Amino acid sequence: KQEVTQIPAALSVPEGENLVLNCSFTDSAIYNLQWFRQDPGKGLTSLLLIQSSQREQTSGRLNASLDKSSGRSTLYIAASQPGDSATYLCAVTDYKLSFGAGTTVTVRA
Amino acid sequence: GAVVSQHPSRVICKSGTSVKIECRSLDFQATTMFWYRQFPKQSLMLMATSNEGSKATYEQGVEKDKFLINHASLTLSTLTVTSAHPEDSSFYICSAILGTGGEKLFFGSGTQLSVL
Repeated sequence: KQEVTQIPAALSVPEGENLVLNCSFTDSAIYNLQWFRQDPGKGLTSLLLIQSSQREQTSGRLNASLDKSSGRSTLYIAASQPGDSATYLCAVTDYKLSFGAGTTVTVRA
Repeated sequence: GAVVSQHPSRVICKSGTSVKIECRSLDFQATTMFWYRQFPKQSLMLMATSNEGSKATYEQGVEKDKFLINHASLTLSTLTVTSAHPEDSSFYICSAILGTGGEKLFFGSGTQLSVL
């Protein structure tokens, strides 16, 4: 059974600091890994999708890496802004979609 | 912890038939549920937001007459794919919010729909 763990559960940083969010999964036989953002009361927003054959994806200030063999992914957010405050979820796809519990990020102005 | 149950987990149907997918919050009341769709090798995409007792809010490009959403109770939302066609074959997943402030989102395990 695939288990996805996100550490830390919560993170508070001052504006401008870089964010590092970690995701680990137990079964490396995945098709892809995704990072999502969730704002309170709203649905998910897809941030980055990394296929199993890829090692990283970048979009603007976001960079996600994938080390499938060790079952890890890291999401980096550069120069954080208050608007980055949200819950960030990672999810892996094998024969189904498995989500981590999320990391709640607060960026202080 | 809170659990969201989604059924069926897999369905295969003929083109032209309708398929209903259920999403239940088992031990909490969910005033808001979300429906997502994921095509192979693509990101999960939000289809609609379902609010108990009111009409669902659909994302741009999602046909509301094609994908009927009913949220008649605080623990059940259903998605009906009407007159399904092969291009509707996808992975559908629901999620429910726990807490009035949207503090936590819980997910169903998904439904793999294959339309022949």
